[in-house]
Amino acid sequence: QSVLSQPPSVSGAPGQRVSISCTGSSSNIGAGYGVFWFQQLPGTAPKLLIYGDNNRPSGVPDRFSASKSGSSASLAITGLQPEDEADYYCQSYDTSLRGSAIFGGGTKLTVL
Amino acid sequence: EVQLVQSGAELKKPGESLKISCQGSGYNFKTYWVAWVRQMPGKGLEWMGLIYPADSDTRYSPSFQGQVTFSADMSITTAYLQWDSLKASDTGMYYCARRASVHDPFDYWGQGTLVTVSS
Repeated sequence: QSVLSQPPSVSGAPGQRVSISCTGSSSNIGAGYGVFWFQQLPGTAPKLLIYGDNNRPSGVPDRFSASKSGSSASLAITGLQPEDEADYYCQSYDTSLRGSAIFGGGTKLTVL
Repeated sequence: EVQLVQSGAELKKPGESLKISCQGSGYNFKTYWVAWVRQMPGKGLEWMGLIYPADSDTRYSPSFQGQVTFSADMSITTAYLQWDSLKASDTGMYYCARRASVHDPFDYWGQGTLVTVSS
């Protein structure tokens, strides 16, 4: 059971928009810690997708965006493409775990 | 170009010891934290902790405290993850990742080291 809750799976057709939620609590996201998003393509290492709540590293398309409100955050992907099929993880920090980094359980995105 | 290159896959027996490595290049190794992340087969990411190579300050996740040891050798820009006595439940993929400062993102990751523990 992850401290940050994500839906196990989401799906969408090419060109559509999907959203992935990440629900935390007052000891992590709600405490003001930043939320980061990672993409893990099959058989590869995770890759940073979003940092500082809604900033993209160089090379990440602007189809990916994120938002945060209260103790929750979400990742949105617009103009879905087949190569977006991957696992997506949110990550933050938690005061009740001595400032440890915490990950969500991950969401499998299927492009139909 | 920033790179984190990890050592190769390992097959070990329960009770054996193991040390895997993560060599950084293309950046000032000693001023970035190196984190370790476990991914058990078919499961999600688990943060194990991290080490600051400049002074070997280490922070362990409560879940991994006492189970593993982190170390670093700045002369060869390499961080290590060590087990003294492996268990079958240690089987998984282990990633290293760098972070600039507290609460900064893990912006570059190693390719992962697969550890299999089986009798």
